[in-house]
Amino acid sequence: ELKVEQNPLFLSMQEGKNYTIYCNYSTTSDRLYWYRQDPGKSLESLFVLLSNGAVKQEGRLMASLDTKARLSTLHITAAVHDLSATYFCAIYGGATNKLIFGTGTLLAVQP
Amino acid sequence: NAGVTQTPKFQVLKTGQSMTLQCAQDMNHNSMYWYRQDPGMGLRLIYYSASEGTTDKGEVPNGYNVSRLNKREFSLRLESAAPSQTSVYFCASSEPGMSNQPQHFGDGTRLSIL
Repeated sequence: ELKVEQNPLFLSMQEGKNYTIYCNYSTTSDRLYWYRQDPGKSLESLFVLLSNGAVKQEGRLMASLDTKARLSTLHITAAVHDLSATYFCAIYGGATNKLIFGTGTLLAVQP
Repeated sequence: NAGVTQTPKFQVLKTGQSMTLQCAQDMNHNSMYWYRQDPGMGLRLIYYSASEGTTDKGEVPNGYNVSRLNKREFSLRLESAAPSQTSVYFCASSEPGMSNQPQHFGDGTRLSIL
């Protein structure tokens, strides 16, 4: 069974602090996606990671992919309140572009 | 830039009623998808259409039907709504073969079944 597990499920952090969200998956996949969702809103694509060792950065967020360990990380540097949202990782589960999503990490950045 | 458009945005139904959720995309994508989102469970794939004229079941297809009307439009139908189908429904589209491009999502339909 294809599984994508994220941890933590909930993260409360103070502004200015650093933290990492982890995404583990159970099957080989060469594509991993990170999305952000604000409350009551749609999913916004953050990063597309396509190969082992891929690292992408946008502002205070940096994502990496280790396909051998079946692990992706989303690192938050010097968090600000605007980063408060739910973050999802997703992998392709096989043919026809089917995405398998993690359960999400709810990030709350406190002033 | 419209992207993926879903209608309606909100709907309340009574148990046993039927309705169709509409989705249209203007990005000329071949593949389209319907997901449901429930608290603590992420997004789960209901049905997908890899290309015009084809549809396939996803992870949770029971109680739903779909129609790929043309390349732009992909609808989801609840024939006899049940309270367990209360959820937020998202439509998405993508272009197969372009692995560096993510799936694009609509704004969602919030459906309550009483």
